[in-house]
Amino acid sequence: DAMVIQNPRYQVTQFGKPVTLSCSQTLNHNVMYWYQQKSSQAPKLLFHYYDKDFNNEADTPDNFQSRRPNTSFCFLDIRSPGLGDAAMYLCATSRRTGGWTEAFFGQGTRLTVV
Amino acid sequence: AQSVTQPDIHITVSEGASLELRCNYSYGATPYLFWYVQSPGQGLQLLLKYFSGDTLVQGIKGFEAEFKRSQSSFNLRKPSVHWSDAAEYFCAVGAGDSNYQLIWGAGTKLIIKP
Repeated sequence: DAMVIQNPRYQVTQFGKPVTLSCSQTLNHNVMYWYQQKSSQAPKLLFHYYDKDFNNEADTPDNFQSRRPNTSFCFLDIRSPGLGDAAMYLCATSRRTGGWTEAFFGQGTRLTVV
Repeated sequence: AQSVTQPDIHITVSEGASLELRCNYSYGATPYLFWYVQSPGQGLQLLLKYFSGDTLVQGIKGFEAEFKRSQSSFNLRKPSVHWSDAAEYFCAVGAGDSNYQLIWGAGTKLIIKP
């Protein structure tokens, strides 16, 4: 089945130690998103790629970076994780065709910072 | 400013009873409306969407929602809930046509009483 896959499902990292989360998709969608979701809150968009064009949200900390080496893969890099970065990170994809379409989400990566 | 309001943080419903989750939006143009469901520790799954046409839309898992422009509402309903419906439900509005940003409600946690 076509889908959005995030790895790993659970990640424990040390305070200040760089960490990378990955997302892959078999939907061939041209847009990929990274969201941060803290407990009992709505997802918060960090950035998205439209093809190779990177779009950063104004309030996304510089500590968060992203790479999209090809259509299928997208990575979220947290350069120096702090305790406040512990959250669920959600990857999503959509096909931008000139109108709105729905986003498809992965299962998420739960990040713990110790 | 664009916004989505889900006035109920928690709702408790007995198994087999009917359900209505409320969603109100503030958006000047024609809204693109979505309901997503999130089970604990999981990603978000699209239940249904409204873009245009018939204002009563059917979704997966027996859910439906009705778009009422005059009330700026997009309430989610299910005639008979099952224990497996216990989850968090998010309403979202597709805003703008430049970056395809979703505006999210705060979510409603559905608790099912046996």
